[in-house]
Amino acid sequence: GIQVEQSPPDLILQEGANSTLRCNFSDSVNNLQWFHQNPWGQLINLFYIPSGTKQNGRLSATTVATERYSLLYISSSQTTDSGVYFCAGARRGSGTYKYIFGTGTRLKVLA
Amino acid sequence: DAGITQSPRHKVTETGTPVTLRCHQTENHRYMYWYRQDPGHGLRLIHYSYGVKDTDKGEVSDGYSVSRSKTEDFLLTLESATSSQTSVYFCATSSQNIQYFGAGTRLSVL
Repeated sequence: GIQVEQSPPDLILQEGANSTLRCNFSDSVNNLQWFHQNPWGQLINLFYIPSGTKQNGRLSATTVATERYSLLYISSSQTTDSGVYFCAGARRGSGTYKYIFGTGTRLKVLA
Repeated sequence: DAGITQSPRHKVTETGTPVTLRCHQTENHRYMYWYRQDPGHGLRLIHYSYGVKDTDKGEVSDGYSVSRSKTEDFLLTLESATSSQTSVYFCATSSQNIQYFGAGTRLSVL
């Protein structure tokens, strides 16, 4: 099956620092998305980004579908950015898409 | 946020007992999913549904069954729980290719 590699696995930042998270896929996927899981376990969709670049406040994401990778940029990090960041891509299944998740990047932002 | 409610939120059960987890959504989304989350594995797809009574297996479906008799409800059943099924279970819906997650159910099988 498709392998999804996220790097780095762990990241500690001082508040205000910038960071780049990476997601590599072993094969082509559809519907690439980034999620944030907060310390209470809630998963929030950050970006739906099958290709190109999007920005939302201090966060932006870029997907290069032809090279099978995506990047998530966090600028001016805040303690509320702490948590685990997951990327996910989809392959066609019966009737809809099936999603494959990476193992995540655990981010801790220190005040 | 899509209105997705998982119940129960926490459950402790014994090996060999049947367990049913419920996912209820109020958004009328056609597609629904069950995942499990374990340390070191991220989220792994158990089963999914592409319509009422239409379901299929994901990558870790052994020991699990699902049912969807109404658009709003997607049930996950562990016929005979095992300790390896101790995990956090997430339900998700999908609309316009974007996934929305419930708050999760923490299941412990002793």
